[in-house]
Amino acid sequence: AQSVAQPEDQVNVAEGNPLTVKCTYSVSGNPYLFWYVQYPNRGLQFLLKYITGDNLVKGSYGFEAEFNKSQTSFHLKKPSALVSDSALYFCAVSPRTGGFKTIFGAGTRLFVKA
Amino acid sequence: DTAVSQTPKYLVTQMGNDKSIKCEQNLGHDTMYWYKQDSKKFLKIMFSYNNKELIINETVPNRFSPKSPDKAHLNLHINSLELGDSAVYFCASSPTSGRPTDTQYFGPGTRLTVL
Repeated sequence: AQSVAQPEDQVNVAEGNPLTVKCTYSVSGNPYLFWYVQYPNRGLQFLLKYITGDNLVKGSYGFEAEFNKSQTSFHLKKPSALVSDSALYFCAVSPRTGGFKTIFGAGTRLFVKA
Repeated sequence: DTAVSQTPKYLVTQMGNDKSIKCEQNLGHDTMYWYKQDSKKFLKIMFSYNNKELIINETVPNRFSPKSPDKAHLNLHINSLELGDSAVYFCASSPTSGRPTDTQYFGPGTRLTVL
């Protein structure tokens, strides 16, 4: 079965420190990879995506993600966390074939402490 | 000028009732979706429509019936509501017909509470 794993329910980091939110996937056929963020009582917002090319993808709000094909991972990173980055982060994977279905991870709550 | 809007934002109702949630997108997108987010924040797709045609119908009780009167609207009707239907329901849209590279744009969500 195809799946997306976000192994950490919560990540805690101090403001100004680098952050990493992990994502691994088990989806065949070189899928497309996404990160979305959900702020409290809001819908999901797109952060970035990997389609092809450079393994390091830059996105909104200073976030970036590194694609690693051999490890089937797509970890989200930011060099210096802000308190306002505190939110719920979802990794998502879209298979190249088989329809329109995007598979979402369970989400990781990021808490940035001042 | 909200891109994807949903009404109502909150819905509190009794078990056994029938209710509807409406979604509209003004982005000119071809594809729309309904997702259910449970209390643990797990997000699961329920339905997807492309140009008014149903293309994804996940394992969802047939009490849930989506309707797309045109490609800008996708409504969700729920019959005989049960306690387990309590969740946040998100509508989303994406630009084209079936491109897996498309970004999805989400509405603000409808929090359904069944008492």
